[in-house]
Amino acid sequence: EAGVAQSPRYKIIEKRQSVAFWCNPISGHATLYWYQQILGQGPKLLIQFQNNGVVDDSQLPKDRFSAERLKGVDSTLKIQPAKLEDSAVYLCASSSHSGLRKAYEQYFGPGTRLTVT
Amino acid sequence: TQLLEQSPQFLSIQEGENLTVYCNSSSVFSSLQWYRQEPGEGPVLLVTVVTGGEVKKLKRLTFQFGDARKDSSLHITAAQPGDTGLYLCAGAPAGGTSYGKLTFGQGTILTVHP
Repeated sequence: EAGVAQSPRYKIIEKRQSVAFWCNPISGHATLYWYQQILGQGPKLLIQFQNNGVVDDSQLPKDRFSAERLKGVDSTLKIQPAKLEDSAVYLCASSSHSGLRKAYEQYFGPGTRLTVT
Repeated sequence: TQLLEQSPQFLSIQEGENLTVYCNSSSVFSSLQWYRQEPGEGPVLLVTVVTGGEVKKLKRLTFQFGDARKDSSLHITAAQPGDTGLYLCAGAPAGGTSYGKLTFGQGTILTVHP
């Protein structure tokens, strides 16, 4: 079974530029998450999708961050304009929608390391 | 807001030593998971515990869920350099409408020296 795919793996941009990250979840997984992880810390949830609908985006800085999952499969996360404090690893995860235990087991992609200079 | 406090934040030990990482909260969780993350990779799920008092073993790793489902521990016996990484606990809220949403601890960075 293929895992969660993310691209690019690394990105370096200047502040005020824009950047987009792509995620392809595990086939059949209805729920998709985007996290921001500062080096050495736990992931912070940015947005959660259930199929193509947003379940939780309470911690997404909506003035600069946007995300979509138009067909309920792939997702993109965009930052525009980027700030220095956006430097972090952006992780995508997915989970299935069946059963109590499986619904909370999240499978992560390798992440995109963003550096804003 | 449900918080998970992990301790210690950093752990540096010699190969062969034992260690325990703790994950504590004042909130009740319906389940709790442990992940390990290596540099440059995403977190990898190690185990899920659901029942209060549940103990699960994964080779040299022993995971326990507290009786009240507010805390958990991870014990590693005879640590090896391959155990090095960031260990994360994550809890699923009991009740509410946050279906599928996990609360992550801040992580424990473990370094095992040969």
